[in-house]
Amino acid sequence: GQQVMQIPQYQHVQEGEDFTTYCNSSTTLSNIQWYKQRPGGHPVFLIQLVKSGEVKKQKRLTFQFGEAKKNSSLHITATQTTDVGTYFCAGHGGTSYGKLTFGQGTILTVHP
Amino acid sequence: GAVVSQHPSRVICKSGTSVKIECRSLDFQATTMFWYRQFPKQSLMLMATSNEGSKATYEQGVEKDKFLINHASLTLSTLTVTSAHPEDSSFYICSARPSGRTYNEQFFGPGTRLTVL
Repeated sequence: GQQVMQIPQYQHVQEGEDFTTYCNSSTTLSNIQWYKQRPGGHPVFLIQLVKSGEVKKQKRLTFQFGEAKKNSSLHITATQTTDVGTYFCAGHGGTSYGKLTFGQGTILTVHP
Repeated sequence: GAVVSQHPSRVICKSGTSVKIECRSLDFQATTMFWYRQFPKQSLMLMATSNEGSKATYEQGVEKDKFLINHASLTLSTLTVTSAHPEDSSFYICSARPSGRTYNEQFFGPGTRLTVL
């Protein structure tokens, strides 16, 4: 079945440093989504990437979708303490029900 | 908009009892809802896809007789953990996919923490 690998599992940064998490799918994806889960909270939708090579920005967050639609990355510039949480990528294989396969997540801690 | 509620938020039960968890989309209709299980500091594991008016589709390794899913309306899906045992203790999260949307993003409920003694 479809697998989505995400690295790193943990990332500790000083406030102001950049952060990147990477996802790789075992199969070509229809689209990929990114979610953020704060400690003790539930996943919150951030963005969806659909097109090959697509790049989208949300303030300090930059999302990329690979040319082959099998990998993706999330980059945060100049991290802030509010960025703390777990970032998940989730791949959609194109089924009509919209089933997502989640990566393992990257737990980000930001030291002030 | 796009709010999903889950009830209860926390439940503690004795081994052998059954627990029902409700997932409601409050301001949109959802033909499809999903049930996930999440262990501490781990990813979300999809248990089943719940479709309004039809049987749920279970992921490999998930016992359908143990985790009963009912999606009786476009705004409500329920997950019943039957004859719960301590190994069923986990964080259960539902999500709903708005009907008729081009994008298939999912909106998650706040989760239910189940502890089986």
